[in-house]
Amino acid sequence: QKEVEQDPGPLSVPEGAIVSLNCTYSNSAFQYFMWYRQYSRKGPELLMYTYSSGNKEDGRFTAQVDKSSKYISLFIRDSQPSDSATYLCAMSAIQGAQKLVFGQGTRLTINP
Amino acid sequence: AAGVIQSPRHLIKEKRETATLKCYPIPRHDTVYWYQQGPGQDPQFLISFYEKMQSDKGSIPDRFSAQQFSDYHSELNMSSLELGDSALYFCASSPTRDLKTQYFGPGTRLLVL
Repeated sequence: QKEVEQDPGPLSVPEGAIVSLNCTYSNSAFQYFMWYRQYSRKGPELLMYTYSSGNKEDGRFTAQVDKSSKYISLFIRDSQPSDSATYLCAMSAIQGAQKLVFGQGTRLTINP
Repeated sequence: AAGVIQSPRHLIKEKRETATLKCYPIPRHDTVYWYQQGPGQDPQFLISFYEKMQSDKGSIPDRFSAQQFSDYHSELNMSSLELGDSALYFCASSPTRDLKTQYFGPGTRLLVL
């Protein structure tokens, strides 16, 4: 079983919809939680970063972490066609140089 | 803003050949990470360097080696290439002050024939 599980989709929603992306994890040592967006044939782009449990909002994006359930979410409000991409959750545990453990990625398509 | 630079962007090699991938981190970033992403897969951590010293090691084959130089750029050396080494290789960098955020380069697409 992978340390981080993410539904690969694909997920297709109409423009303007609220999108919910989720990951679950098994390693309770994870403390830092990130969401990356990756366009086809491009490198992952850091969207959001949260530490421990709680919510963080940045424009149309909201990240939530529930460490008690080992569950993290990314919400996208007023979704746009330009949001179409693969969204990867990633986590890290220790201080110092921290390797990221990624989920499989969810391919999202926003239809105009 | 300056980003992580990787070269080459595309590389075609034959089995048993060697390859060298280069990574130039964002200025003033002293930590470099290498990841391998197979087709339809998530990135897998290979190895990382902090201040020119190896800091963590993941699922990197013994046929691969890497180092970070005095100017903080890093090179991933791959020998005895196998078909299964065909993948996207990403380099990421982070600043000392914020080790928890990693910024990824555009990747090197390696195809082994």
